[in-house]
Amino acid sequence: DAKTTQPPSMDCAEGRAANLPCNHSTISGNEYVYWYRQIHSQGPQYIIHGLKNNETNEMASLIITEDRKSSTLILPHATLRDTAVYYCIVRVAHSSASKIIFGSGTRLSIRP
Amino acid sequence: DSGVTQTPKHLITATGQRVTLRCSPRSGDLSVYWYQQSLDQGLQFLIQYYNGEERAKGNILERFSAQQFPDLHSELNLSSLELGDSALYFCASSLTSGSNEKLFFGSGTQLSVL
Repeated sequence: DAKTTQPPSMDCAEGRAANLPCNHSTISGNEYVYWYRQIHSQGPQYIIHGLKNNETNEMASLIITEDRKSSTLILPHATLRDTAVYYCIVRVAHSSASKIIFGSGTRLSIRP
Repeated sequence: DSGVTQTPKHLITATGQRVTLRCSPRSGDLSVYWYQQSLDQGLQFLIQYYNGEERAKGNILERFSAQQFPDLHSELNLSSLELGDSALYFCASSLTSGSNEKLFFGSGTQLSVL
C-alpha cells in the first residue's frame, strides 16, 4: 500500500494561500490522491482528489507532480474556518475492496 | 450536512458491556465504512461493506463485528467493552466501492466506557 508523508503542523496568515505538501513516493499508476480535512472532532470532509492532472474545485486546488510522487493542496484564500487537520490519502483499490487509510495528517492553523 | 446519519451521538456504558452503533448511509450509497478515532489519535479504518457484503477489513478487534442490512444501513457491534474502546466512531458512505469514489462521513458516535 502506498503511504503518505505530511508535515505534522503548519500555519498560515488569514487571507493568504495555504500550501499543504504531501509525499507519496510509492504511489502506483492507478491510485488516486485524495484530500480530506477534519475540523475539531467533526466527521472528515472531502476536499478534492486527482489521478494525474491538476484539479480545482470551489474549495481548493490540487497540484500533482509529473512523477506523481508528491502533491500539494492549495487553499487560495485561507480563513479562520480552514483551521483543521488535513489528510492526504492514496486510495488503495483491489479487485473488490478498497481500504482508505488515514495517516496523521497536517494540523493547519490559520492566524488572524 | 453530509447525508450520513449516525445514532446515537453519545453513548456512555461500563466495561464488559455490549453496544450497537447505527449508521444510515446517504440515499443511494451502497458502500459503508467504519472508522475509530481515539483521543488525539488518527482515524483507524475498521471495516467496509458494499451492498451487504464485507469488502475490506482493517484493524478491527475480534470483539467488534459489523453488518450491512438489505436496506443498506449498517451496525457496528462492540462487545466486552474495555476502557480503551472509548473513542469517536465514524461511519462513511460512498456510491460504490471504486477508487474514484469520495467518502461522506457522519458526525460520529462518541463512546465513553467507564
